[in-house]
Amino acid sequence: GENVEQHPSTLSVQEGDSAVIKCTYSDSASNYFPWYKQELGKRPQLIIDIRSNVGEKKDQRIAVTLNKTAKHFSLHITETQPEDSAVYFCAAIADSWGKLQFGAGTQVVVTP
Amino acid sequence: DTGVSQDPRHKITKRGQNVTFRCDPISEHNRLYWYRQTLGQGPEFLTYFQNEAQLEKSRLLSDRFSAERPKGSFSTLEIQRTEQGDSAMYLCASSLVAGTEYVEQYFGPGTRLTVT
Repeated sequence: GENVEQHPSTLSVQEGDSAVIKCTYSDSASNYFPWYKQELGKRPQLIIDIRSNVGEKKDQRIAVTLNKTAKHFSLHITETQPEDSAVYFCAAIADSWGKLQFGAGTQVVVTP
Repeated sequence: DTGVSQDPRHKITKRGQNVTFRCDPISEHNRLYWYRQTLGQGPEFLTYFQNEAQLEKSRLLSDRFSAERPKGSFSTLEIQRTEQGDSAMYLCASSLVAGTEYVEQYFGPGTRLTVT
């Protein structure tokens, strides 16, 4: 089955700097890669996703890149703000019915 | 609130007791997923439904776990003879799928289970 690895597990950045989180996946058939943000005690919320026919997608300060050959994808947050502090999860579709395989998460702390 | 809702939000139970959780998906969403999340980990898939049909159960879902979605709307997850290892956040998610393209799964707030 699909296996998703995520690095780093924690990331501390100064406000205004960029943050990068990297994930690798094992199943070459995976073709949908969402990123979720989870604040303490709250539900995971989708912040951006990318499909395998696209190499990069951007939404304001957030961007995701996908390298299908290397089977890795990354989340980039630019001009970080304190409200970006949260746990971020990458995921990959593990089957044709939409079952998600999540990474272990990255705790991002943005210090003012 | 028209999002996914779950009830209860918190449940404390003694080992050996049975518990049941409920998930109400977004109206008309045809797919419903259950995930389990332990501290410091990402959600792990448990099972999912297409309308009222349960399509797959994870190996994480032992015989003590059962899930239903009787009318293709709300779903229940029951754990019998709870064990301390069942302590986790149980998340429900739903999506509306009309074709073959993957779409966003909307998560509920979760039910935090503590087994003492």
